[in-house]
Amino acid sequence: SQKIEQNSEALNIQEGKTATLTCNYTNYSPAYLQWYRQDPGRGPVFLLLIRENEKEKRKERLKVTFDTTLKQSLFHITASQPADSATYLCALDLDSNYQLIWGAGTKLIIKP
Amino acid sequence: NAGVTQTPKFRVLKTGQSMTLLCAQDMNHEYMYWYRQDPGMGLRLIHYSVGEGTTAKGEVPDGYNVSRLKKQNFLLGLESAAPSQTSVYFCASTPTSNTDTQYFGPGTRLTVL
Repeated sequence: SQKIEQNSEALNIQEGKTATLTCNYTNYSPAYLQWYRQDPGRGPVFLLLIRENEKEKRKERLKVTFDTTLKQSLFHITASQPADSATYLCALDLDSNYQLIWGAGTKLIIKP
Repeated sequence: NAGVTQTPKFRVLKTGQSMTLLCAQDMNHEYMYWYRQDPGMGLRLIHYSVGEGTTAKGEVPDGYNVSRLKKQNFLLGLESAAPSQTSVYFCASTPTSNTDTQYFGPGTRLTVL
C-alpha cells in the first residue's frame, strides 16, 4: 500500500541544537516534496520545495534533503530557537494529478 | 492582501443539519482546494477546482458538495451533517498548478453532535 510517514511522537530539542525531522514514503515516485509549518489553530505555511533531481535545498537556517533511493526526506533546522516550535508537515507531489499527499506531521518542541 | 480567508471560524451542528463553508482568496489564484484535518492523520483532500466553474472530487468527497461560481470563491457544503464530519476544514489555493506553493486559510473547526 502507499504510505507517507512522519514521526508521530513529538521531538524535543534543546535551543541552539540542530533539529532533524524525517519524512518516509513507500510506493510513490514523487516529482517534488514540500515542507510546511503549522502552528496551533492556524493553517499550514509553505517552507521549502525540493525536486526529485535535487539532493539538497537550503533557506536560511533550514535545509532539506531528498533521497529517492531511500524514499526519504530529512528536514533540518540549525541553531534552533523556541520560536521554531510547531508541527512540520511533509507533502508529496506526484506531478501526475492535482493532489498533494500529506504526512500527519511531527510536533517539534524547542526548549530554552 | 488578505490572502485566503474562511468563514465561519467555528461551528457546531446537530446531526442532519446543513451548512456552507466559504473560502475566499484575493490572489487571483486558479486552483483551490478543500481539505479536512483529523488528529493523527495527514490533510485529506475533499474536493478541488482548477478554475472558475470547474470542480472535481478528491480523496474523501462523500457527504460534501462544492461550487466555484466565481474565481475568488470556493464553497463547501454539507447537506446532512454526520458526527464523522467533525473535523478542522482548511481551504487552500495555488497560482497555476499543483507544484506551486499552497496558501492556506486559517481553518474552520466544525463539530457535529
